[in-house]
Amino acid sequence: DSGVTQTPKHLITATGQRVTLRCSPRSGDLSVYWYQQSLDQGLQFLIQYYNGEERAKGNILERFSAQQFPDLHSELNLSSLELGDSALYFCASSVALASGNTIYFGEGSWLTVV
Amino acid sequence: AQSVTQPDIHITVSEGASLELRCNYSYGATPYLFWYVQSPGQGLQLLLKHFSGDTLVQGIKGFEAEFKRSQSSFNLRKPSVHWSDAAEYFCAVGVDTGRRALTFGSGTRLQVQP
Repeated sequence: DSGVTQTPKHLITATGQRVTLRCSPRSGDLSVYWYQQSLDQGLQFLIQYYNGEERAKGNILERFSAQQFPDLHSELNLSSLELGDSALYFCASSVALASGNTIYFGEGSWLTVV
Repeated sequence: AQSVTQPDIHITVSEGASLELRCNYSYGATPYLFWYVQSPGQGLQLLLKHFSGDTLVQGIKGFEAEFKRSQSSFNLRKPSVHWSDAAEYFCAVGVDTGRRALTFGSGTRLQVQP
């Protein structure tokens, strides 16, 4: 158990819909990352937050957004969903910003768009 | 920008045999290097990490990795593979400039034959 909690574990929704994925980082971790894992794209970095502020953006679509709240939990919002958005979405956390800090991953949220 | 290459998509070894998974990185300096393992339906678990210093890094579950600066490689090894090692293995790099989230390789799927 990494200490990173993600909900829901599985989600099936229709095209055009909007979903929210939730993440609670490890206790004491200030940095939260979101990754998308799909068969064709592999593990892609989406976005990073540190202590409530956005710090880095990766391959995140404009239809997707995220935020980190004062209690440090984070949400990833996916809207106008398309079939190609079906993937495993990981949240990860680390103590600080530096890349030398170990990043711990949750078990992921499986999203299926039908 | 940094990048990671895992040249082997799929490897099959017999139980008890030795294992080496290859990882090559591209970056102007020495990055932080990580190996993660993902079992089916699970999140990513950190096996080991290299920050600086020793070229041979010990990890969990009997894994080790050797950092070779001259070859820009960070290969993962295990002397004797167990059936429970069947999983997907990801090499990742992190840097302390620019975007600080980990960049992952495409992964190597390990199959273990009895």
